[in-house]
Amino acid sequence: KAGVTQTPRYLIKTRGQQVTLSCSPISGHRSVSWYQQTPGQGLQFLFEYFSETQRNKGNFPGRFSGRQFSNSRSEMNVSTLELGDSALYLCASRSDRAVQMNTEAFFGQGTRLTVV
Amino acid sequence: ILNVEQSPQSLHVQEGDSTNFTCSFPSSNFYALHWYRWETAKSPEALFVMTLNGDEKKKGRISATLNTKEGYSYLYIKGSQPEDSATYLCACRYGGATNKLIFGTGTLLAVQP
Repeated sequence: KAGVTQTPRYLIKTRGQQVTLSCSPISGHRSVSWYQQTPGQGLQFLFEYFSETQRNKGNFPGRFSGRQFSNSRSEMNVSTLELGDSALYLCASRSDRAVQMNTEAFFGQGTRLTVV
Repeated sequence: ILNVEQSPQSLHVQEGDSTNFTCSFPSSNFYALHWYRWETAKSPEALFVMTLNGDEKKKGRISATLNTKEGYSYLYIKGSQPEDSATYLCACRYGGATNKLIFGTGTLLAVQP
């Protein structure tokens, strides 16, 4: 079974640009979550999608948005990039048996975004 | 704001030493606690998911305990090996509107051969 795949792995963008990151979950998983990690910070929750609907959202500005497609693949978009958006962005998928509280999340390897 | 805390921030041990780290979390509305191991340049890998007070889980030389009443979990590694070197992350899931994994900042373990 293929794991969670994130593309691209590395990205360099300029301030003010926008960026789209992609995440393909494990086959059969309908829940996809996105996290941001910056140096010295734990993984910060961005949002979670389940069956194409955003179920939960973290405390990030509106420049951060996402969506999920009918095949459960998800994209995350950041508009008007700022230097502080430089981070590792991780996506995780979970079993599609409802949104059970104790199912483990499987992570991708992340996209390293550098804003210059 | 729910805050999951891990200690210590980092740990350097010799091969063969046993070690343990702590995860502290608010116990109100708690649902589940996850431990992950995150090696450099890889994906975080799930170790354990625990939900009940008194839960104990074991995988090889690694074990974990959970106390939901006082809000802490311990992760133990017996006879550390260099391949155990990684960041160990703790994450909690709560009920209600906060149905998301809240991560601690992790404990970085370095095992010297």
